[in-house]
Amino acid sequence: GAGVSQTPSNKVTEKGKYVELRCDPISGHTALYWYRQSLGQGPEFLIYFQGTGAADDSGLPNDRFFAVRPEGSVSTLKIQRTERGDSAVYLCASSLTKGAFAEAFFGQGTRLTVV
Amino acid sequence: EDQVTQSPEALRLQEGESSSLNCSYTVSGLRGLFWYRQDPGKGPEFLFTLYSAGEEKEKERLKATLTKKESFLHITAPKPEDSATYLCAVRSNDYKLSFGAGTTVTVRA
Repeated sequence: GAGVSQTPSNKVTEKGKYVELRCDPISGHTALYWYRQSLGQGPEFLIYFQGTGAADDSGLPNDRFFAVRPEGSVSTLKIQRTERGDSAVYLCASSLTKGAFAEAFFGQGTRLTVV
Repeated sequence: EDQVTQSPEALRLQEGESSSLNCSYTVSGLRGLFWYRQDPGKGPEFLFTLYSAGEEKEKERLKATLTKKESFLHITAPKPEDSATYLCAVRSNDYKLSFGAGTTVTVRA
């Protein structure tokens, strides 16, 4: 595809359930970022991948959150035992090289609602 | 810790009424200040990067400026299609952006 694709667009889940959010970056982009955006706030850094490895996961709120990128392309953000406070829009972005934010593209996000 | 504060939170303009948005920042070592536009239900879209005090960038009706402590996004003679949330972000290392909460601009025809 031409852009960063995130699925699903919307996800409603019950408190305590497990969810997976998927990000398909632009082909060839080695750098991939996950951000979380709460209502009325700017995006907040979660994790950065360079290739297959998580180069910095310091933004993950706690150990219920985990992300993988096994083949250096698609990434999945996994949230265990979801809580109502996890409700937010989860954004994924990719760039050709690390930190090339002028050429980075964001997906449309996955809106997660925990009820 | 990097801090970015944007003001005002919301701005309502009449078409053609120019105005400015403010982004004040605190960062240990600035490696770029970024402006993004975000439409409802969409991800942020890159507008400008500024690197040093005194630098200016322009794109259509938008102009971004940078000082050592803040950046301004000037909107000249806005049109309804300029309605969006404008986000400011700073980068202090190779790969992490710290965003402000944004300014939501509404331009009425």
